[in-house]
Amino acid sequence: QVQLVESGGGVVQPGRSLRLSCAASGFTFSNYGIHWVRQAPGKGLEWAAVISYDGSEKYYADSVKGRFTISRDNSKNTLYLQMNSLSAEDTALYYCAKGSRWRDIVATIDYWGQGTLVTVSS
Amino acid sequence: NFMLTQPHSVSESPGKTVTISCTRNTGSIAGNYVQWYQQRPGSSPTTVIYEDNQRPSGVPDRFSGSIDSSSNSASLTISGLKTEDEADYHCQSYDSSNRWVFGGGTKLTVL
Repeated sequence: QVQLVESGGGVVQPGRSLRLSCAASGFTFSNYGIHWVRQAPGKGLEWAAVISYDGSEKYYADSVKGRFTISRDNSKNTLYLQMNSLSAEDTALYYCAKGSRWRDIVATIDYWGQGTLVTVSS
Repeated sequence: NFMLTQPHSVSESPGKTVTISCTRNTGSIAGNYVQWYQQRPGSSPTTVIYEDNQRPSGVPDRFSGSIDSSSNSASLTISGLKTEDEADYHCQSYDSSNRWVFGGGTKLTVL
């Protein structure tokens, strides 16, 4: 069965960096686009970034562009999110989520991880 | 970039029908597919509607989606409401630059 397991969250001071990981299993990772979607406490979902199946295309929300970098290692079935210059507004549960259609970057999400919590606080 | 606006909350009785709207402020709602995700408290989201009106396998046909170009909005309709439908519902679409946008979410109360 498809599994997405996020890790790397924690408490970090404003201005510092953090790298999240998402370990995938149960499907051919290298054939699907993957997203990072975040949810601040008590708030709605906010899309952060997406990467194509081969890593050649990457798109970001304006709120994270220039600070966050999405990447993937298909040999390790792992997705990453490098987050720099963090602020309190980045405090959220970060989900990785799999696109549903083979090599289609805009396909709807069909599987979500359980999320990893990032708290930015001094 | 565009925005998707949803009502903050809706409520209805079991067995009734409820419709949740999702209005796009710029650009055509019909120009890019709309998805709907259900999120129960403490859980990750799940897809209930994709590509405007398609239901994933396992989603009951009580859930339906539609697009209205005249109001530039999408709608999620749930008929025969059950208490288990109580959840947050999020609409989502994307732009021509492949950037995704979520609506603010709607809390559905079944009372």
